[in-house]
Amino acid sequence: DADVTQTPRNRITKTGKRIMLECSQTKGHDRMYWYRQDPGLGLQLIYYSFDVKDINKGEISDGYSVSRQAQAKFSLSLESAIPNQTALYFCATSDPTDHEQFFGPGTRLTVL
Amino acid sequence: RKEVEQDPGPFNVPEGATVAFNCTYSNSASQSFFWYRQDCRKEPKLLMSVYSSGNEDGRFTAQLNRASQYISLLIRDSKLSDSATYLCVVNVRTGGFKTIFGAGTRLFVKA
Repeated sequence: DADVTQTPRNRITKTGKRIMLECSQTKGHDRMYWYRQDPGLGLQLIYYSFDVKDINKGEISDGYSVSRQAQAKFSLSLESAIPNQTALYFCATSDPTDHEQFFGPGTRLTVL
Repeated sequence: RKEVEQDPGPFNVPEGATVAFNCTYSNSASQSFFWYRQDCRKEPKLLMSVYSSGNEDGRFTAQLNRASQYISLLIRDSKLSDSATYLCVVNVRTGGFKTIFGAGTRLFVKA
């Protein structure tokens, strides 16, 4: 079984809709992250959390919110989706003693 | 200017070739450095960390030059399976935490 899972894997929605992307991990890591990837731009950090009570904005947090429901779960919400939020979204985890980040398989979101 | 810049791709090389990727970073507070590999439509995965003394893992060699703020990845004896996008990644600690991913360099290895 995958250590980091994301649901849904693909989603098509309309402008103005509320969308939630979910991430679960079985690695036992405290640190979790949400990124988006656009062609030619690399991964951009949206939000990150170093433990259940810790939430931090990344470089592109506008239009997004997150919830860290448990150590293993970190969800990303788009309160009112817009077309320029069409992208590939990745969740990742890491251990504070190790800089490696482990990524989920990604969620491909299309906002029409 | 992007904080982490990589060679524009794609690189098209024959099997067996040696190929080098370059990466520059702009933040002098950068502390740790990595190369990740990303296959098409897949998640990035750590290829190797990059140390000041340079490090090698099989056919892959990574180098770091802190003075020039430059990182490199050398792939020797390229295989078809090396075809992927290679991401240069930098961790910066300046009060807060920041991991910065380069846009990636695409490699195609052809038979």
